[in-house]
Amino acid sequence: EIVLTQSPGTMSFSPGDRATLSCRASQTVRTNYVAWYQQKPGQAPRLLIYEASIRRTGIPDRFSGSGSGTDFTLTISRLEPEDFAVYYCQQYGRSPETFGQGTKLEL
Amino acid sequence: QVHLQESGPGLVKPSETLSLDCTVSDVSISSFYWSWIRQPPGKGLEWMGYISDGGNSKYNPSLESRVTISRDTSKNQVSLKLNSVTSADTAMYFCARVVKGYSFFDFWGQGALVTVSS
Repeated sequence: EIVLTQSPGTMSFSPGDRATLSCRASQTVRTNYVAWYQQKPGQAPRLLIYEASIRRTGIPDRFSGSGSGTDFTLTISRLEPEDFAVYYCQQYGRSPETFGQGTKLEL
Repeated sequence: QVHLQESGPGLVKPSETLSLDCTVSDVSISSFYWSWIRQPPGKGLEWMGYISDGGNSKYNPSLESRVTISRDTSKNQVSLKLNSVTSADTAMYFCARVVKGYSFFDFWGQGALVTVSS
């Protein structure tokens, strides 16, 4: 299976900062089939980005995704207070679908 | 807006079978694929498997010997059974809709916490 590594596990920022989150795959992800989710405490994950760079309808444009092959990035251009959460990448290019272990953004 | 609601016992004894239902509103389960995904406390997400729009299932090889995903179209429900549970199966269990033609997840239920303990 494809192992996704998100590092670091925790990142500290202030509102207004730019955050760049990394997701590295153990093998090339077919057709850049990578999604990003946001999860807040006590809530289900929320889909933000799919196919590495396509923003889901309704997601603010401060969220953007990029990358290809084995290296993928989620960028939040200007952090809002509600953006402090855990972010997971997921690959769906090869079964079994797998998730990274998450990166927590904290104040 | 699609709504998913998980339900089932919150406590299961070791070696027994975990059973959960996911009731879907506002869309027919026969129109989409549906997955179960779990999350142990304080940990990451694990895809368990899916059931297709035609009723066929596929499972994560790590769980394949113990997991069954089925559906009841009359109730618009998707179900999960996981047998021979241990404490390692203690987790929040989410059902989620699979985006057509792909295998990422656009709508999720709120989750059901299942604790395995005697």
